[in-house]
Amino acid sequence: KAGVTQTPRYLIKTRGQQVTLSCSPISGHRSVSWYQQTPGQGLQFLFEYFSETQRNKGNFPGRFSGRQFSNSRSEMNVSTLELGDSALYLCASRSTGSSIYEQYFGPGTRLTVT
Amino acid sequence: QKEVEQDPGPLSVPEGAIVSLNCTYSNSAFQYFMWYRQYSRKGPELLMYTYSSGNKEDGRFTAQVDKSSKYISLFIRDSQPSDSATYLCAMSATTRLTGGGNKLTFGTGTQLKVEL
Repeated sequence: KAGVTQTPRYLIKTRGQQVTLSCSPISGHRSVSWYQQTPGQGLQFLFEYFSETQRNKGNFPGRFSGRQFSNSRSEMNVSTLELGDSALYLCASRSTGSSIYEQYFGPGTRLTVT
Repeated sequence: QKEVEQDPGPLSVPEGAIVSLNCTYSNSAFQYFMWYRQYSRKGPELLMYTYSSGNKEDGRFTAQVDKSSKYISLFIRDSQPSDSATYLCAMSATTRLTGGGNKLTFGTGTQLKVEL
């Protein structure tokens, strides 16, 4: 079974631009979570989607948004990029009814904002 | 102050050494404790999880939880160069999706290097 895939793997953007990241979960998984990973803050939860509905949101500004499609693929958008948005963005998927630790992470998208 | 504190390292040990990785936390509601391993350019992968206090062993890895001290540890015996990675602790008060959804809180990770 294919793992979680994320595209693109690397991205360089300029401050003020916007960016869209994509995540394809493991086949059959309907839950997708997004995390931001930085050296100082570690992994911080952005939001989780299940069956196209946002279930929970972390403490990030409204510039960070997401959505999930009917095939469970998810996108994350960041508008008006700031230098501090440079990070590794990870998505993770899990199956319906699974425990919170039974999520599988993708390799991440490394975003650099200049 | 962060809910979960983890020494970022880096920690460098010789091959064959016993490695001890630790996290402290402040939220007494945490009951489920996890350790993830993250190789460079990869996402985290679950190594072990434990519920409440006690020890759990899986091969060369032992996870230990002391809820009275709010302290968790991961021990790696007979460490190998292939164990070189960043180790992340994570915690949760629940395991299931509730009305609030995802509730995992991570430490910042400890970078480990096992040298030949």
